[in-house]
Amino acid sequence: DGGITQSPKYLFRKEGQNVTLSCEQNLNHDAMYWYRQDPGQGLRLIYYSQIVNDFQKGDIAEGYSVSREKKESFPLTVTSAQKNPTAFYLCASSIGAGGGFYTFGSGTRLTVV
Amino acid sequence: KQEVTQIPAALSVPEGENLVLNCSFTDSAIYNLQWFRQDPGKGLTSLLLIQSSQREQTSGRLNASLDKSSGRSTLYIAASQPGDSATYLCAVAGGATNKLIFGTGTLLAVQP
Repeated sequence: DGGITQSPKYLFRKEGQNVTLSCEQNLNHDAMYWYRQDPGQGLRLIYYSQIVNDFQKGDIAEGYSVSREKKESFPLTVTSAQKNPTAFYLCASSIGAGGGFYTFGSGTRLTVV
Repeated sequence: KQEVTQIPAALSVPEGENLVLNCSFTDSAIYNLQWFRQDPGKGLTSLLLIQSSQREQTSGRLNASLDKSSGRSTLYIAASQPGDSATYLCAVAGGATNKLIFGTGTLLAVQP
């Protein structure tokens, strides 16, 4: 079955530590996205990529970094510069430019300890 | 800057009722509008997508309408069931990049 796999499901980060969230898709989608979800707020876009080796900042990119070396993979690194990283992180993909349904992963819950 | 608002924030209905969820957006120059469902602690499931040239889409007991000129969309759920209990999110894409801007959602509880 095609879909998006996010790992890990739960992640704990110590102060000052960088952590990387994995997102892999086998849908042959060109576009991939990272969103952050906080209680009482809608999803906010962190980064997106429409093609391999290219990505753009979303609305809240500070303290985050991404790479897109393969079409199937779009990992997100939460750096120590992100002062409030505790949140639910969702990865999504779509066919790409021109619109289309989004497919979401099951999410990673990141907690700072 | 596009802003998406969903009303009500929470809704509780008895099983079997028909209900309407509302979504409004400030910039009518959208590419498409999508409705999603999210169960607690889970990712989002896409329900319906309406292209900017369309006025409505239907899937089973769900019907979504779009009025671009007034910046509004509604999601109609017929004959609600306890399994429909979830958060429903509306999102609009503002251009060919297909970036989605999300509302804060409506938390629906269907009582058996």
